[in-house]
Amino acid sequence: NAGVMQNPRHLVRRRGQEARLRCSPMKGHSHVYWYRQLPEEGLKFMVYLQKENIIDESGMPKERFSAEFPKEGPSILRIQQVVRGDSAAYFCASSLAQPGRTDTQYFGPGTRLTVL
Amino acid sequence: EDQVTQSPEALRLQEGESSSLNCSYTVSGLRGLFWYRQDPGKGPEFLFTLYSAGEEKEKERLKATLTKKESFLHITAPKPEDSATYLCAVQAGGGNNRLAFGKGNQVVVIP
Repeated sequence: NAGVMQNPRHLVRRRGQEARLRCSPMKGHSHVYWYRQLPEEGLKFMVYLQKENIIDESGMPKERFSAEFPKEGPSILRIQQVVRGDSAAYFCASSLAQPGRTDTQYFGPGTRLTVL
Repeated sequence: EDQVTQSPEALRLQEGESSSLNCSYTVSGLRGLFWYRQDPGKGPEFLFTLYSAGEEKEKERLKATLTKKESFLHITAPKPEDSATYLCAVQAGGGNNRLAFGKGNQVVVIP
């Protein structure tokens, strides 16, 4: 399967626990994006990363949320001390990002986080 | 701030009844307008990218068009398998690659 992979697909956490969401981009893609989809809301941009670099985190809440895309391994979205309002579907996308060209973002199946 | 508004929010069609979905946008320097399809419990699936006013793209029963202020997704003679939420997104000029999405058009095609 050459598509974007996310795991786990479903994650249940109690308030105050930590959630770690993983994303492996499509083969050959070096750019990763995280989006959040709340019930009845559209997809909202959170963060844009390249290997070992955060390019744009303007959509990320200032507290409790962090993201990384290490040189080796998947991208990780980490939510510390989760609250009920963090319950949502979190989608990862990846792109080839060829210089000077508008590139298409391909999405994974998402991780559905439920905070009890 | 980039804004995307999709209408109608929900649409029920009889099989074979053609219709159009609207995506109005406000963006500083459009780099691209994207249409995705999303089925319940799944991630968005890429359909089209449009770059400039006047551009059109087709795929099976779907045709996307673009003007300076809006895009239309035309569904011709839909089938039940075309039932999905259709998402419109814009990418602004500059170095930022983030997409700004509308809330989607939820389409149900009744056999």
